[in-house]
Amino acid sequence: GAGVSQSPSNKVTEKGKDVELRCDPISGHTALYWYRQSLGQGLEFLIYFQGNSAPDKSGLPSDRFSAERTGGSVSTLTIQRTQQEDSAVYLCASSFFPRGDQPQHFGDGTRLSIL
Amino acid sequence: AQTVTQSQPEMSVQEAETVTLSCTYDTSESDYYLFWYKQPPSRQMILVIRQEAYKQQNATENRFSVNFQKAAKSFSLKISDSQLGDAAMYFCAFDTSGTYKYIFGTGTRLKVLA
Repeated sequence: GAGVSQSPSNKVTEKGKDVELRCDPISGHTALYWYRQSLGQGLEFLIYFQGNSAPDKSGLPSDRFSAERTGGSVSTLTIQRTQQEDSAVYLCASSFFPRGDQPQHFGDGTRLSIL
Repeated sequence: AQTVTQSQPEMSVQEAETVTLSCTYDTSESDYYLFWYKQPPSRQMILVIRQEAYKQQNATENRFSVNFQKAAKSFSLKISDSQLGDAAMYFCAFDTSGTYKYIFGTGTRLKVLA
C-alpha cells in the first residue's frame, strides 16, 4: 500500500481480555517499529523488527506484551490479560532500514481502550 | 540518558503570522538526527522536517525551517505564514546514528487562530 496501515482503528475491550493489533508496513521497508502513546505523553518505543527478527524487545512494558512479524511484512502486537493502564494509542512505523538517516513513516495508530 | 524536552505544552499563533516551537535534547553522541513530526487529530505522525547533526546549514521545507544550535543542543521549529491546517501536536524526536528508535518529546499543541 501507499502508507503504513494499522487495524483496527479503535478497539474497546474488557480488562483481562487479549487483544491483537496489526500493522502492515510500506512495501519494501525492512524495518518496523511499535510505539505507545499514552494520553498527554510523547511516544514510547516498544520494539522494532529488522526483517522478521526483533533484536531489541527491551521497550515492551511487561511479559504480557509480545510481537511478531512474518514474511518481512505484517506485524502483530499482542497484549494478553489487558489492564487499564494498557489504554493508549499504539503506533506502528516503518523505514527502509533501521538507521537514523531513514525517516520513519507512521500509520494512523490503534486507539485501545480497556474498560 | 538521552532525552528530548519540549517546554511549551501549548502555543497559539494568528493565521499568517510566524511561530517558533522550542526543543532541547541531551546526548553525548556527536552523530545523530533530529526530526519534527506533526500529529493532527487523525493521529498519523507526519514528518515535517529533519536535520542531520553533521550539517551546519539549517534545514528548510517550504514554510517550515529549523534553528539548529548544536553546542546548545537546541532544535527549534519555525512556521512562517501559519495556516489553519498547521494546527496539530508537534513532536520533536531524536535518533542517533546506528540506533533504531526515536526518542520523542512530550509535544507542543499548536493552535492557529483565524
